[in-house]
Amino acid sequence: GENVEQHPSTLSVQEGDSAVIKCTYSDSASNYFPWYKQELGKRPQLIIDIRSNVGEKKDQRIAVTLNKTAKHFSLHITETQPEDSAVYFCAARVRSGGSNYKLTFGKGTLLTVNP
Amino acid sequence: DTEVTQTPKHLVMGMTNKKSLKCEQHMGHRAMYWYKQKAKKPPELMFVYSYEKLSINESVPSRFSPECPNSSLLNLHLHALQPEDSALYLCASSQPFRGATNNEQFFGPGTRLTVL
Repeated sequence: GENVEQHPSTLSVQEGDSAVIKCTYSDSASNYFPWYKQELGKRPQLIIDIRSNVGEKKDQRIAVTLNKTAKHFSLHITETQPEDSAVYFCAARVRSGGSNYKLTFGKGTLLTVNP
Repeated sequence: DTEVTQTPKHLVMGMTNKKSLKCEQHMGHRAMYWYKQKAKKPPELMFVYSYEKLSINESVPSRFSPECPNSSLLNLHLHALQPEDSALYLCASSQPFRGATNNEQFFGPGTRLTVL
């Protein structure tokens, strides 16, 4: 089945610095890659996603890049703020038998932004 | 309405109890999901319903029984659970992936389940 590797598992940055989280996937048929942010005790929230026909997508301070050949995608957060502190999960959409699809998640990255 | 709601927020049950978790969405999504999440781990898929039919069961023990009464509601019936089943149970919804260009999956706030 699909395997999604996520690195690093923890990341600590100073406020205002950039943060980069990287994921790799194994199934070359995967074509949709969302990123979720989960604050302590809260639900995972979709923050950005990218489809395989696009190499980069940006939304204010957040950007995602995708390299289909290398099968990796990355989340970039610029000008980090303390409220960016959370666990971030990458995911890849994979086929699960017949015409069914599901998301496979990475193990998560705990991002801490120090004021 | 762009929210997925879940009840109850917290649930404590004994190993012989029967209880149900409920999930509701009014975004017109036709795919609904149950996930289990342990502390410091990613969500782990349990079941997927697509057009009110069970399309994926990730080999979940039969003590968890899902039900999708209509396109807006999803239930998870619990019976004879074990302490290791204690976790955050998340519901999510989206358009079914097949044929859809709008794939965003939205999560509910979860039910924190404790099995004594």
